[in-house]
Amino acid sequence: DTAVSQTPKYLVTQMGNDKSIKCEQNLGHDTMYWYKQDSKKFLKIMFSYNNKELIINETVPNRFSPKSPDKAHLNLHINSLELGDSAVYFCASSQGGAISGNTIYFGEGSWLTVV
Amino acid sequence: AQSVAQPEDQVNVAEGNPLTVKCTYSVSGNPYLFWYVQYPNRGLQFLLKYITGDNLVKGSYGFEAEFNKSQTSFHLKKPSALVSDSALYFCAVRDRLNDYKLSFGAGTTVTVRA
Repeated sequence: DTAVSQTPKYLVTQMGNDKSIKCEQNLGHDTMYWYKQDSKKFLKIMFSYNNKELIINETVPNRFSPKSPDKAHLNLHINSLELGDSAVYFCASSQGGAISGNTIYFGEGSWLTVV
Repeated sequence: AQSVAQPEDQVNVAEGNPLTVKCTYSVSGNPYLFWYVQYPNRGLQFLLKYITGDNLVKGSYGFEAEFNKSQTSFHLKKPSALVSDSALYFCAVRDRLNDYKLSFGAGTTVTVRA
């Protein structure tokens, strides 16, 4: 019974294509995130949504557009894929912000390869 | 701005020996500190966190970490390492003044040899 699930796990696509990664959490959390892990394993936040509202957008190209239809889902759509978009994308969730120090739980990742 | 430093890219230990993975942080206010582990081709798994209170925090799989405010450190430790502990370990910090952002260190690859 996966807490944060994202699909697909692996995605190989050509440059210029548009693709989406879906994420769902069944933890009842109100905050969801997208993180990007590059080839050097460095993790960087991309977006954060709280109660379906965007609260963090970390200088991510406009080609990346998150969509949160409800608190349990945060999807990531990427337009006009570029070679540099190849990375692992992690969805995550938590209950609220840092005030209570609540843990952020991560999904298993989506390995995106652009060829 | 908040940041985390993991000074060692790699840590190699023999099974049964103590394991230490180092982490230092920088935040403007009081920190929330976390350790995560990533096994190959897997997501990040939460190990433990420091919020407040006792400086020694115990977590999953026999790991513990000690918060040291004067040295701004939060080193991860395990008294007796297992081969199965071989993985990539991330330290992360959350600034209480900047609610939603969790900043990660660059990661430390731990290899435990049999």
